[in-house]
Amino acid sequence: DSGVTQTPKHLITATGQRVTLRCSPRSGDLSVYWYQQSLDQGLQFLIQYYNGEERAKGNILERFSAQQFPDLHSELNLSSLELGDSALYFCASSATGGLAYEQYFGPGTRLTVT
Amino acid sequence: AQSVTQPDIHITVSEGASLELRCNYSYGATPYLFWYVQSPGQGLQLLLKYFSGDTLVQGIKGFEAEFKRSQSSFNLRKPSVHWSDAAEYFCAVASNFGNEKLTFGTGTRLTIIP
Repeated sequence: DSGVTQTPKHLITATGQRVTLRCSPRSGDLSVYWYQQSLDQGLQFLIQYYNGEERAKGNILERFSAQQFPDLHSELNLSSLELGDSALYFCASSATGGLAYEQYFGPGTRLTVT
Repeated sequence: AQSVTQPDIHITVSEGASLELRCNYSYGATPYLFWYVQSPGQGLQLLLKYFSGDTLVQGIKGFEAEFKRSQSSFNLRKPSVHWSDAAEYFCAVASNFGNEKLTFGTGTRLTIIP
């Protein structure tokens, strides 16, 4: 158990809909990262938040957005969903300073768009 | 831009045999390197990491990896595999310039035969 929790575990929705994925980092970790894992794209970094502020952006679509709240949990919002958005979405967290590179991953949310 | 190549998509080894999974990276400076393991239906677990210093690093579950700058490689090894090692293994690289996002390889699926 990494200490990172993600809800829900599974999500099935239709094209055009909007969903919210939730992540709670390990206690004390200030950074949260979102990754997408799909068969065709592999594991890709989407976005990072540090202590409530966006810190780095990767291959995140404009239809996707994220935020980190004062209690440090994070949400990834996916809108106007397409079939190709079906994937496993991971959240990871890390501490600060030199340990920031050691990321601990949650179990993931499997999104199926039908 | 940093990148990681895992040339072997799928490897099959016998239980008790030795294992080496290959990883090559592309990065202009000394990278931060990681190996993660993903069991079916699970999140990613950090096996080991290399930041600096001794080029042979020990990890959990009896794994080790060796950083070879001249070959831009960070191969993962285990002297004797167990059936429970069957999983997907990912090599990842992070820059050391304040952007902590991980860039992952495409993964190597390990199958263990009795």
